[in-house]
Amino acid sequence: DIQMTQSPSSLSASVGDRVTITCRASQSFSTYLNWYQQKPGKAPQLLIYAASNLQSGVPSRFSGRESGTSFTLTISNLQPEDIATYYCQQSDSFPNTFGQGTKLEIK
Amino acid sequence: QVQLVQSGAEVKKPGASVKVSCKASGYTFITYDITWVRQASGQGLEWMGWMNPNSGDTAYAQKFQGRLTMTRSTSTSTAYMELSSLTSEDTAVYYCARRGLLLHQEDVWGQGTTVTVSS
Repeated sequence: DIQMTQSPSSLSASVGDRVTITCRASQSFSTYLNWYQQKPGKAPQLLIYAASNLQSGVPSRFSGRESGTSFTLTISNLQPEDIATYYCQQSDSFPNTFGQGTKLEIK
Repeated sequence: QVQLVQSGAEVKKPGASVKVSCKASGYTFITYDITWVRQASGQGLEWMGWMNPNSGDTAYAQKFQGRLTMTRSTSTSTAYMELSSLTSEDTAVYYCARRGLLLHQEDVWGQGTTVTVSS
């Protein structure tokens, strides 16, 4: 199984900051890497697919990048509505494993 | 609009089974895969399995092998997830999601179904 190690587990930042979340895979795989945002009591929502493609309707301040087995989600110009938990997921091979999640708070 | 609507909350006793439904609308059911994911209270997302609604092919996470069954009804555009031999550790919110065939992204999610296992 491909293990996804996500960091940090929690993060506090100010409105307007640039925030970066990282996921590292235990082995290389094709670029089937997704990022999800989940707000309390709600289902996850797709932000980024195939490592760097912005899902329709998602603000352009969200972006994704791949570098080998390392994947990053960047939120530029952090907004109050971005308070949520973020998960990465590899969807290259079964089981499609998730990272442990990053809880983002606003200072 | 495209949506997945799941069945309502369930309370089950240990050892019982639960079957959750996920009804698709707004798109052609057999042209997207279905994934099931669960989340225990305060915990992260856990991938359970995948189904191709066209062929009925499935793949399950190893930890659920032998007690997880995913099925579908193409006539009603509904996917089903049945989990047997329930224990308290199966108490969680269960989600279905639509998965793109080409890029494997879960782009539409059901609202979630809470399953509580308690004696």
